[in-house]
Amino acid sequence: SAVISQKPSRDICQRGTSLTIQCQVDSQVTMMFWYRQQPGQSLTLIATANQGSEATYESGFVIDKFPISRPNLTFSTLTVSNMSPEDSSIYLCSVVGFGVVGYTFGSGTRLTVV
Amino acid sequence: TQLLEQSPQFLSIQEGENLTVYCNSSSVFSSLQWYRQEPGEGPVLLVTVVTGGEVKKLKRLTFQFGDARKDSSLHITAAQPGDTGLYLCAGVNAGGTSYGKLTFGQGTILTVHP
Repeated sequence: SAVISQKPSRDICQRGTSLTIQCQVDSQVTMMFWYRQQPGQSLTLIATANQGSEATYESGFVIDKFPISRPNLTFSTLTVSNMSPEDSSIYLCSVVGFGVVGYTFGSGTRLTVV
Repeated sequence: TQLLEQSPQFLSIQEGENLTVYCNSSSVFSSLQWYRQEPGEGPVLLVTVVTGGEVKKLKRLTFQFGDARKDSSLHITAAQPGDTGLYLCAGVNAGGTSYGKLTFGQGTILTVHP
């Protein structure tokens, strides 16, 4: 299965600022996703990162707030813009490799907005 | 919107006891996955069930997929403290704009006391 390096692992940010989270995969993958999770709770899909085109966002998430890039088949970024304390959460990237049934998740980025 | 109802939300048991976690949906998924997540890590895939009526075993864990492919269960025999974690079921969407997306259940926090 793919190995994901997600950075940073955690950060404490001031409200009104932005944070960019990186997801680097050690092999080419077909699909990349970004999720949000409150500790001990389930995952909510933010968007699907599409290579070379705009990401596909789920209901309740918009590009201005969560811009996503995916320049190639191994790398994606999620930016949390103009942060407020409500954005405090764990953000995870997930990938599906070619011919792989299962999904691999990064270790997550624990974001605290103060 | 497809939903997965997972229960119970919390389980606190003694070492050696058995337990079952349930995952139910009103709609059919192409397959269903079970994940285990520990604090500070991303979810790790335990199993994927694809065929209605399928039963898979992973050491002390037994996974079942309902005949109609709408429900699944995870049974742990003789639970150990190392089984402690967040267990998540996830339905794999196969069609249309939802292709490849995972729909997660609410999660079950399992605590096994020595």
